[in-house]
Amino acid sequence: GAVVSQHPSWVICKSGTSVKIECRSLDFQATTMFWYRQFPKQSLMLMATSNEGSKATYEQGVEKDKFLINHASLTLSTLTVTSAHPEDSSFYICSARIDPNFSTDTQYFGPGTRLTVL
Amino acid sequence: QKEVEQNSGPLSVPEGAIASLNCTYSDRGSQSFFWYRQYSGKSPELIMFIYSNGDKEDGRFTAQLNKASQYVSLLIRDSQPSDSATYLCAVYDSGTYKYIFGTGTRLKVLA
Repeated sequence: GAVVSQHPSWVICKSGTSVKIECRSLDFQATTMFWYRQFPKQSLMLMATSNEGSKATYEQGVEKDKFLINHASLTLSTLTVTSAHPEDSSFYICSARIDPNFSTDTQYFGPGTRLTVL
Repeated sequence: QKEVEQNSGPLSVPEGAIASLNCTYSDRGSQSFFWYRQYSGKSPELIMFIYSNGDKEDGRFTAQLNKASQYVSLLIRDSQPSDSATYLCAVYDSGTYKYIFGTGTRLKVLA
């Protein structure tokens, strides 16, 4: 159990285009999902917290108009990188937190999406 | 600012030995602690979580929590080369509903 999927697993796009990444919790409901970014040999960096049915909460320094997050259901959150540029190339990882009503607040990670912007 | 600290390593241990990974945290009120393993180029994978003081064992892994001293550790018995990875310690911050990660300890198990 507790499987999180992400799609696509990798994407290459041209500068200026937008890319949408999907994150799904496959066998549990996730009221909260998180989006992280990780550059090579660096730590995970939290970008935003996504709550079902409400606006995402962005971390300081993360542009909300550039990284659009939608959490439309209890099993799906999407991250859209708008007008992507080469500096947005990174490993994007989502995680989903099991509903705390199930007496755990563990988060499970998706497999990640490697974005390369040319 | 709440912090989680880990030695970046690398920690090198011979195959079959016990690897000991340590983590300290700053928020005395923290209640939930997690260990993740991350292979190069992959996303983190949950190994264990621990909420209560003491030891929690799962196969070759043992998590140890000492809230009075504000540290949590992970022991890996009979270390294998396949255990070579970066191990991330995370603490759940119930005030902000976020997880605070350490920078990770790189473990190398030498065959």
